[in-house]
Amino acid sequence: GAVVSQHPSRVICKSGTSVKIECRSLDFQATTMFWYRQFPKQSLMLMATSNEGSKATYEQGVEKDKFLINHASLTLSTLTVTSAHPEDSSFYICSARENWISSYEQYFGPGTRLTVT
Amino acid sequence: SQKIEQNSEALNIQEGKTATLTCNYTNYSPAYLQWYRQDPGRGPVFLLLIRENEKEKRKERLKVTFDTTLKQSLFHITASQPADSATYLCALAGSSNTGKLIFGQGTTLQVKP
Repeated sequence: GAVVSQHPSRVICKSGTSVKIECRSLDFQATTMFWYRQFPKQSLMLMATSNEGSKATYEQGVEKDKFLINHASLTLSTLTVTSAHPEDSSFYICSARENWISSYEQYFGPGTRLTVT
Repeated sequence: SQKIEQNSEALNIQEGKTATLTCNYTNYSPAYLQWYRQDPGRGPVFLLLIRENEKEKRKERLKVTFDTTLKQSLFHITASQPADSATYLCALAGSSNTGKLIFGQGTTLQVKP
């Protein structure tokens, strides 16, 4: 099946610094990728839709200037958490869909655990 | 507002029995519904997808039903095994095929040997 990777798997950073998380589709091309955040014991919350070659679409309440998304190629999307604060500590997960119109399945990455100290 | 409810209490069953998990939704007309498995500290893994015009879908020991009148999906695991222990998430998607999913909070299944 389709594989999505994320890097790093976990990162600890100091408050005020920026962190970049990569999401790659390894064996398929993905025009669209999605970024989710999951707090402990809670569900996945969609943060933004990442579109290759265009600006990301952010969900209501998600600060686009804080969570910068770049989707520069059909296999790579990056999420940069800028000026991170302890409340940004969470589990960040990306997903991708294959590039054919009748594909509804999404493949998720293994997630990135961000801890801001 | 759109709401998806899964039983937040953990489901404990004996190995070999059938596990049944419920997903109810309100204020939404999904084009399709998906079920995922999530292990601790890992991303969700896709299990099954069922469309609005389908009543039932099967895959090996898994079965999903979708009742758009009741606004409910049931997820069954037959002949459950301890390895089936995980959190199971249901996710709904609208008809615009944007791919945007709304997730339930998940139900944790514990299968005891």
